[in-house]
Amino acid sequence: GESVGLHLPTLSVQEGDNSIINCAYSNSASDYFIWYKQESGKGPQFIIDIRSNMDKRQGQRVTVLLNKTVKHLSLQIAATQPGDSAVYFCAENRADDKIIFGKGTRLHILP
Amino acid sequence: SAVISQKPSRDICQRGTSLTIQCQVDSQVTMMFWYRQQPGQSLTLIATANQGSEATYESGFVIDKFPISRPNLTFSTLTVSNMSPEDSSIYLCSGQLTGGTGELFFGEGSRLTVL
Repeated sequence: GESVGLHLPTLSVQEGDNSIINCAYSNSASDYFIWYKQESGKGPQFIIDIRSNMDKRQGQRVTVLLNKTVKHLSLQIAATQPGDSAVYFCAENRADDKIIFGKGTRLHILP
Repeated sequence: SAVISQKPSRDICQRGTSLTIQCQVDSQVTMMFWYRQQPGQSLTLIATANQGSEATYESGFVIDKFPISRPNLTFSTLTVSNMSPEDSSIYLCSGQLTGGTGELFFGEGSRLTVL
């Protein structure tokens, strides 16, 4: 299958530990942010989103934190499982309603 | 949510030829977009597919190279014209649901290899 993310930064986490994936965005006018998960050979899959009027949002096992002051976004995955292995992308909704993707991080789960 | 189907899922093409990728959505979407994902890279927005009018292209992408059609709310095509090996990539169709929160749904992608 497709090996997306060969040249992307990698985060290795022990199974069961928490994972924190970070992202810096560029446009201070962006008002909506999304985290996507991309498994090998598949299209990106929505994980969680957050609007700029919030600084934290929680989902099932995932939390997104937004720091508008330093234009930083993070994704926290609790109790990381083997199925969490994938490439994770943050994306921002530009003022013209187009969604622009960040560089991506490959999450590798250690047994 | 929306299910987005693309075809072909993959193809091997000869230099100088053109290939059209089809994208079908099972729900009405307001916006449809085409992205390119080169090996080991992130997604780059090519253009917004506008229903019944010319697509809106991002910097670095032009209509002659990537003509796009969107005849209705649930279907779009992207043609990669006069292909060269540099066009080898995954091409992804995406859509935003009408009345949705703004998230994009993606197809599985079309992986093109140009020899």
